[in-house]
Amino acid sequence: GQNIDQPTEMTATEGAIVQINCTYQTSGFNGLFWYQQHAGEAPTFLSYNVLDGLEEKGRFSSFLSRSKGYSYLLLKELQMKDSASYLCAVMDSNYQLIWGAGTKLIIKP
Amino acid sequence: GAVVSQHPSRVICKSGTSVKIECRSLDFQATTMFWYRQFPKKSLMLMATSNEGSKATYEQGVEKDKFLINHASLTLSTLTVTSAHPEDSSFYICSARGERESSYEQYFGPGTRLTVT
Repeated sequence: GQNIDQPTEMTATEGAIVQINCTYQTSGFNGLFWYQQHAGEAPTFLSYNVLDGLEEKGRFSSFLSRSKGYSYLLLKELQMKDSASYLCAVMDSNYQLIWGAGTKLIIKP
Repeated sequence: GAVVSQHPSRVICKSGTSVKIECRSLDFQATTMFWYRQFPKKSLMLMATSNEGSKATYEQGVEKDKFLINHASLTLSTLTVTSAHPEDSSFYICSARGERESSYEQYFGPGTRLTVT
């Protein structure tokens, strides 16, 4: 079966760095997405990785290792507004997104 | 960037009535649209995938006669919840993917919160 695993909840301090991990087992791979979702709102796109390595975009970076079925989202210089759920999703061989359950990130002052 | 709108953003209806939710791609042509529902503190659950001009493909366990999907044009898809019941109360989100298949990003609408009383 297809499976996406990520931690349920994480807590970090304002100004610090946090890494949210995602492991996956899917039928085929056509890329991995990270989305941010604030409570009561729809997800917003953060990053897309299809090749191994690190993609940096401002305070957010995303890493992918296809051989390990592993990705992480790195958030630097955390701000209170970063408190949200972070969803990992993998596009399988049918170009369908398989979603993780999301990681709720709590930022404390 | 690509913009997807949903209407209404919130709706309250009585049991037994039907509710239609519209999803529009405002500045691009969406060959494929997706409908999700999300329960509180849970991840997105794909309900169905619709391609313009053809019948929607429903995920296992989703009743196609209850959740009617129409993708009549490249910019509009509708989801109709028929004979709604309180257990249908949920957050419904649509997303759209454009014509450029090399771009696999899905653009999400803002969601519709349905409450059935």
